Amino acid sequence: QSVLTQPPSAAGTPGQRVTVSCSGSSSNIGTYNVNWYQQLPGTAPKLLIYTNNQRPSGVPDRFSGSKSGTSASLAISGLQSEDEADYYCATWDGSLSGWVFGGGTKLTVL
Amino acid sequence: EVQLVESGGGLVQPGGSLRLSCAASGFTFSDSWMYWVRQAPGRGLEWVANINQHGSEIYYVGSVKGRFTISRDDARKSLYLQMNSLRAEDTAVYYCASHDSMDYWGQGTLVTVSS
Repeated sequence: QSVLTQPPSAAGTPGQRVTVSCSGSSSNIGTYNVNWYQQLPGTAPKLLIYTNNQRPSGVPDRFSGSKSGTSASLAISGLQSEDEADYYCATWDGSLSGWVFGGGTKLTVL
Repeated sequence: EVQLVESGGGLVQPGGSLRLSCAASGFTFSDSWMYWVRQAPGRGLEWVANINQHGSEIYYVGSVKGRFTISRDDARKSLYLQMNSLRAEDTAVYYCASHDSMDYWGQGTLVTVSS
């Protein structure tokens, strides 16, 4: 069981907007910034969103992040077939003195 | 261009040891936090350990404390993970990552613990 809770799957059709949630607690998301990673099939993870809502250079603005209280969300607008991937949230946990990842959400583009 | 290249993975028997390396280039290695993250077959990502710029702050996930040791050699621009007393549940692809938000990742190296 992961410390951060994500839905195991999500789906949408091309052009749609989908969101992926990440639920934590006061010792992690409630206190620290959240990052999001995209892992395309058979590849290494890639940083998608850092510090809750910042996009690294090269990440399309279709991807956005937000945080409120002990939860965070990743939104993908204008869904494209190449967005089909696993998405993970991550943050520091002060009680565990370590990084924690969500269990991952497999996004399917129908 | 930032590059991280892991090596040292392979097949090892339970109770054995392995040393992973990560060669870094394209950034000032000595200025960067460094991480090891693993992914068991068909499973999600699990943070394993990280080390700060000076090696004065080191953290481990509970399941590897006392068995794994993370270290760095800034002169060689390399990160290491010494893994002892390996167990079947340590079987995974091990990735190294760099920078504060794990901004960059290597391609990973597979560690298989099996008799």
